Amino acid sequence: GENVEQHPSTLSVQEGDSAVIKCTYSDSASNYFPWYKQELGKRPQLIIDIRSNVGEKKDQRIAVTLNKTAKHFSLHITETQPEDSAVYFCAATYTGTASKLTFGTGTRLQVTL
Amino acid sequence: EPEVTQTPSHQVTQMGQEVILRCVPISNHLYFYWYRQILGQKVEFLVSFYNNEISEKSEIFDDQFSVERPDGSNFTLKIRSTKLEDSAMYFCASSGYGEKLFFGSGTQLSVL
Repeated sequence: GENVEQHPSTLSVQEGDSAVIKCTYSDSASNYFPWYKQELGKRPQLIIDIRSNVGEKKDQRIAVTLNKTAKHFSLHITETQPEDSAVYFCAATYTGTASKLTFGTGTRLQVTL
Repeated sequence: EPEVTQTPSHQVTQMGQEVILRCVPISNHLYFYWYRQILGQKVEFLVSFYNNEISEKSEIFDDQFSVERPDGSNFTLKIRSTKLEDSAMYFCASSGYGEKLFFGSGTQLSVL
């Protein structure tokens, strides 16, 4: 089955700096890669996703890049703000029918003033 | 904005007892899921459900677990005889055509 690895496990940046979180996946059939943000005690919330037919997607301060050949994808947050502090999870799946998401182990992002 | 809703938010039970966790998926969604998250760990897939039957289940989803869609709106997860290691946050999720998953706010299950 799919295996997703995520790095780093913790990341501390100063407000205004950029943050990059990286994930690798094992199953070359995976074709959909969402990123979720989870605040303490809350539900995971979808913040951005990318399909395997594109290499990059951007939504305001958030961007995701995908390298299918190397089987890795990354989340980029620019101009970080304190409210970006949370745990971020990457995930991967093949969207044949139902999406059985395989999650990474999470990155705790701390944005300091 | 439509949301997946879950009840209860917290459930405390004794080991060996049965629990039922309830979910109301987003109304026009077709696929339903249960995931769990042990404190401080990643979210893990338990089961997916489509067209009134299980599509896929993980090795965690053993004979003690079952799911049901008893009517047109609810989706339930039953644990027949709870164990200490079942303590976790259980998230229900739903999706339209199997892509974007939207998660509920979770049920924190504590087995004593």
